[in-house]
Amino acid sequence: DSGVTQTPKHLITATGQRVTLRCSPRSGDLSVYWYQQSLDQGLQFLIQYYNGEERAKGNILERFSAQQFPDLHSELNLSSLELGDSALYFCASSRQGAFDEQFFGPGTRLTVL
Amino acid sequence: AQTVTQSQPEMSVQEAETVTLSCTYDTSENNYYLFWYKQPPSRQMILVIRQEAYKQQNATENRFSVNFQKAAKSFSLKISDSQLGDTAMYFCAFMKQDSNYQLIWGAGTKLIIKP
Repeated sequence: DSGVTQTPKHLITATGQRVTLRCSPRSGDLSVYWYQQSLDQGLQFLIQYYNGEERAKGNILERFSAQQFPDLHSELNLSSLELGDSALYFCASSRQGAFDEQFFGPGTRLTVL
Repeated sequence: AQTVTQSQPEMSVQEAETVTLSCTYDTSENNYYLFWYKQPPSRQMILVIRQEAYKQQNATENRFSVNFQKAAKSFSLKISDSQLGDTAMYFCAFMKQDSNYQLIWGAGTKLIIKP
């Protein structure tokens, strides 16, 4: 158990819909990262927050957005969903962000039908 | 842009054997970190080992060790005395110093340990 929690574990929805994925980092971790893993592929970095502020953006679509709240939990919002958005979405956290180990949550499996 | 290449999509070995997974990367940076992550069937991502580029000594964690060749931009993972629980996808990842700590990932190697 990494100490990072993600909810829900599974999500099945239809095209065009909007969903919210939630992540709670390990106690004391200030950085939160979101990654997308499509079937049998490596991870793609989406976005990073540090202590409530966006720090870095990767390959995140405009239909996707995220935020980190004062209690440091983070949410990833996916809208106008398409079939190709079906993937495993991971959240990771680290103490500061400066080469600290990233601890991964169990992921949210999103299926868009 | 940095890229990470894992040339072995799948490997299988007998239990107790030693196996080496290859990883090469492309960067013009001098300061960076390299990582190996394991993803078992549970899909949890677990850090196996990491290497700072400025360190010449290869990192070791119990049965796991790396062969870091900076000039060749190679970062292979050696698993000694392999166990059934080592069956997983293994991902190599790269992080440069000024990247805001983004990890750039390889496509992964599926490792199967046979009894």
